[in-house]
Amino acid sequence: EAGVAQSPRYKIIEKRQSVAFWCNPISGHATLYWYQQILGQGPKLLIQFQNNGVVDDSQLPKDRFSAERLKGVDSTLKIQPAKLEDSAVYLCASSEGTEETQYFGPGTRLLVL
Amino acid sequence: KNQVEQSPQSLIILEGKNCTLQCNYTVSPFSNLRWYKQDTGRGPVSLTIMTFSENTKSNRRYTATLDADTKQSSLHITASQLSDSASYICVVSLDSNYQLIWGAGTKLIIKP
Repeated sequence: EAGVAQSPRYKIIEKRQSVAFWCNPISGHATLYWYQQILGQGPKLLIQFQNNGVVDDSQLPKDRFSAERLKGVDSTLKIQPAKLEDSAVYLCASSEGTEETQYFGPGTRLLVL
Repeated sequence: KNQVEQSPQSLIILEGKNCTLQCNYTVSPFSNLRWYKQDTGRGPVSLTIMTFSENTKSNRRYTATLDADTKQSSLHITASQLSDSASYICVVSLDSNYQLIWGAGTKLIIKP
């Protein structure tokens, strides 16, 4: 069974630029999550989708971050414009349901200069 | 406030030794507690999920315990191997909305 795929693996941009991350969850998983993980900290949930609907985006900085999950499968996370403090690893995870085990992708490491 | 505290922040032990990682939480209402292993440069991988009624759960050389009364959990690693070097993260799920409260993790280093 293929795992959660993410791309790109690494991205370096300058502040005020835009960036987009892509995630392909495990086939059949209804729930998809985007996390931000700053070095030395645990993951912080940015947004949670159930199929193509948003369940929780309370910690998503909506003035600069946006995410969508068209057709309830793949998802993209966008940052526009980026700030220095956005430097982090962005993890995508998926699960069969809200209470089920989450399976994580390898993450995208973002560096904002 | 719902919080998950882990200790120690980091730990270095020799290969073959045992170790125990601690997790204290103030999450309420409680649904379940999970331990994840995160290798450097990779996403977290689930080790165990424990519900309110479970006191102990084992997964190969990993044994997790849960005391719901004192709101404490531990992860015991037996006969450590170099591949156990990773961050171990404790996560507690809220019963009301299944929101996950993540700890900051314990960074474990196994030395040969």
